[in-house]
Amino acid sequence: EAQVTQNPRYLITVTGKKLTVTCSQNMNHEYMSWYRQDPGLGLRQIYYSMNVEVTDKGDVPEGYKVSRKEKRNFPLILESPSPNQTSLYFCASSFLGQAGGEQFFGPGTRLTVL
Amino acid sequence: QKEVEQNSGPLSVPEGAIASLNCTYSDRGSQSFFWYRQYSGKSPELIMSIYSNGDKEDGRFTAQLNKASQYVSLLIRDSQPSDSATYLCAVNRADMRFGAGTRLTVKP
Repeated sequence: EAQVTQNPRYLITVTGKKLTVTCSQNMNHEYMSWYRQDPGLGLRQIYYSMNVEVTDKGDVPEGYKVSRKEKRNFPLILESPSPNQTSLYFCASSFLGQAGGEQFFGPGTRLTVL
Repeated sequence: QKEVEQNSGPLSVPEGAIASLNCTYSDRGSQSFFWYRQYSGKSPELIMSIYSNGDKEDGRFTAQLNKASQYVSLLIRDSQPSDSATYLCAVNRADMRFGAGTRLTVKP
């Protein structure tokens, strides 16, 4: 089954404790992206990647890191989480094309930072 | 000006009515346009994509695109309570940009 998976789905942590949210897709998509979603603010892009070893900042990259060592995986790293990073996070992937492909979303990770 | 703007809503329609959702975008070079539906706490799911001017119909859903006016809309005919969700407009040129969403409630 074609899908984007994220783990963990729910996470409660404390300020300053490093964490990683994994994202994996099995559709051979070149493009992968991380979003956070907060009430009233819609989906805001954190980082994206157009291919292996190619990553770029989105609209709200502060406090986050990513890596793209393999085509299928795109982990999101919070080196020192803070309460303002409490949010619902989505990973998404798509093919790259002239017009831009539709994005497929993972199930989401609900993160609470105390 | 936001890159992608949607009616903030909420929008409420009776069951069986037509729901009309609107979206405007700022980048004239945008090439592809999408409507996603998102139930509370769930991930967005694609319901319509449109790439050229005009209408595109899929079942009860019709997407309309007018690139000259930088406007894209979604019509839902015969609205059902199960259509109650937040609808996200997304616009893609080099990168995908989402609107904040319009919350739709269909009342039985």
